[in-house]
Amino acid sequence: DAKTTQPTSMDCAEGRAANLPCNHSTISGNEYVYWYRQIHSQGPQYIIHGLKNNETNEMASLIITEDRKSSTLILPHATLRDTAVYYCIVPVPLQAGTALIFGKGTTLSVSS
Amino acid sequence: KAGVTQTPRYLIKTRGQQVTLSCSPISGHRSVSWYQQTPGQGLQFLFEYFSETQRNKGNFPGRFSGRQFSNSRSEMNVSTLELGDSALYLCASSLQGYQPQHFGDGTRLSIL
Repeated sequence: DAKTTQPTSMDCAEGRAANLPCNHSTISGNEYVYWYRQIHSQGPQYIIHGLKNNETNEMASLIITEDRKSSTLILPHATLRDTAVYYCIVPVPLQAGTALIFGKGTTLSVSS
Repeated sequence: KAGVTQTPRYLIKTRGQQVTLSCSPISGHRSVSWYQQTPGQGLQFLFEYFSETQRNKGNFPGRFSGRQFSNSRSEMNVSTLELGDSALYLCASSLQGYQPQHFGDGTRLSIL
């Protein structure tokens, strides 16, 4: 199972880009990288996922290195509401389907 | 489109009792997964149901069980409650059991 490593915490000024790194050096060729975030007292929120190409949606961009051993989640213009714990996850294959194994994630603090 | 709905939001029980939690997935989603979140252990996978059958199971004792109905709604039951069962219980749904999973805001269970 591919493990992920993230910094414990990061700070970002409101309006600036937040770049959250993740290492997943043991990822295999067909495993996706997923990003979720959890705001206090709420359930985790799906942000974005990718395999090897860079991805962008209305919430964020995901940059995956060519060797796929690391990735970066980019929130282009962080707001106070982006303060949350961000999880980088490589789903674990099960007998059927997959399961999300959450680590400790990165606590992002956005300040004005 | 309505999101994942979990009821009740809060629940207080005493040791030895049993409890049933409910989850209504996003319309059209057939896979429902359950997770337990505690400060010490983080988010842990309990089990997953698909088409009324438990397909995958995490490493939890048999006191934790669940079921899924024909309309994909799911219930989770915990019998003989222990103090350590105090946690946020999260439900997530997806189309087929692969990602992305979408989470509800959970049921916070407190055991006295």
